[in-house]
Amino acid sequence: EDQVTQSPEALRLQEGESSSLNCSYTVSGLRGLFWYRQDPGKGPEFLFTLYSAGEEKEKERLKATLTKKESFLHITAPKPEDSATYLCAVQGLSLTSGTYKYIFGTGTRLKVLA
Amino acid sequence: EAGVTQSPTHLIKTRGQQVTLRCSPISGHTSVYWYQQALGLGLQFLLWYDEGEERNRGNFPPRFSGRQFPNYSSELNVNALELEDSALYLCASSLSIGQMNTEAFFGQGTRLTVV
Repeated sequence: EDQVTQSPEALRLQEGESSSLNCSYTVSGLRGLFWYRQDPGKGPEFLFTLYSAGEEKEKERLKATLTKKESFLHITAPKPEDSATYLCAVQGLSLTSGTYKYIFGTGTRLKVLA
Repeated sequence: EAGVTQSPTHLIKTRGQQVTLRCSPISGHTSVYWYQQALGLGLQFLLWYDEGEERNRGNFPPRFSGRQFPNYSSELNVNALELEDSALYLCASSLSIGQMNTEAFFGQGTRLTVV
C-alpha cells in the first residue's frame, strides 16, 4: 500500500534545542520527496524538493536529507517562529493503481518554546 | 508572480446544498490538485487534473466532482453537502507530471462550514 508516515506526531522543543523529524515512505518510481510547512488555517508552504538518495537541501535553520526509504528534516537551534506543522509528501508511481500519485503524510506538529 | 489563488476564502452552507470552489493555478502550471483537510487532521487527496483531464481521484463519493478549464483553472463541486464536509479545501498547482520539477504550490484554501 502506498504510504507516507511521519514521526513523531508532535514535538516540543526548547528554543535552541536541535532535533530531527522523520518521513518514511512506500511508493515505487519516486519522482520526488517534498517538505512543506503549514501554519494553522493556512495552505502549506513549500520548503524543499529532494529527488535522489544522498541529496541534501538547506534553508536557514532547516536541512532536509533523503535516503532510499526515508527523509529527515533537521532543525538546528530552532526559534519560536519555527512552530508549525511540517508535512512530507512523495510523488511517485502508485503500487496499487499504476498511476502517479502525490501522497502526503499527516505531519509533525512542532512547538518551540521560548 | 501571482501564486495559487482560491475563492471564496470562507463559505457557510446548509446541509443538502451544493457548493462550487474555484482555483487559479500559477501561470505555466497545468496540473491542479484538490485536497480536503478537516480540522486538526491531515490532507486527504480529492482530485488531480493535468492538462484538462482528470488523472486521479481519491476515495471520496461521487458527489465530489470537478473540472479543469482550457486556461488550467479548476472548479471543485460538492453536491448534497453533509456536516462532515466542513473542512479547509486546498488547491495546489504544479508543472505537468512530464516535467522535471513537479513540486506543488498551495493556495490559502477555502474554509467551508456546513451547518
